[in-house]
Amino acid sequence: NAGVMQNPRHLVRRRGQEARLRCSPMKGHSHVYWYRQLPEEGLKFMVYLQKENIIDESGMPKERFSAEFPKEGPSILRIQQVVRGDSAAYFCASSWTGTENTGELFFGEGSRLTVL
Amino acid sequence: DAKTTQPTSMDCAEGRAANLPCNHSTISGNEYVYWYRQIHSQGPQYIIHGLKNNETNEMASLIITEDRKSSTLILPHATLRDTAVYYCIASGTYKYIFGTGTRLKVLA
Repeated sequence: NAGVMQNPRHLVRRRGQEARLRCSPMKGHSHVYWYRQLPEEGLKFMVYLQKENIIDESGMPKERFSAEFPKEGPSILRIQQVVRGDSAAYFCASSWTGTENTGELFFGEGSRLTVL
Repeated sequence: DAKTTQPTSMDCAEGRAANLPCNHSTISGNEYVYWYRQIHSQGPQYIIHGLKNNETNEMASLIITEDRKSSTLILPHATLRDTAVYYCIASGTYKYIFGTGTRLKVLA
């Protein structure tokens, strides 16, 4: 049973370009979460999605960042016009329970974005 | 989510028990205590969670004080592969607040 799959694992972008990070949840999971980890810091919640719905995006920066989880295909975190401060590891997690999570989140290996 | 406080780092001899403390004095009644670990900047790995009773699984034991203001994660026989950053999280939702965790180094 494959775990949470994220790609690309490493992405290099120049300032002003767009970054797209993809996440396929574990089989049977319909809840996806994105977290960001800056160097030497803990993970910070960005957004929680279910299929075709954004449930909570309170951790997302107001500009340039967007996320989706379409009916078919992976969840995508999109960062437009990247800046150096966007350089970080972006982790996706999935679960089969809903918003009152009393179980574990399964994390992917992360996508490391470097902005030159 | 309640704030948690953990020591910055700890060392443990290989084969000995590693006891990692966590304070969560503002935890509310519906918040669980979760432990995750992160090895070499990989994705966090779930270890164990509990509400008020002590819990044990194949990886670790979780001891929660009666007032729920603190807990201890116990790795009964630490190995070199247990070297990682360990995060204690108090949460009733998916919005985990990861602090900086405890950097556990298991020594040969």
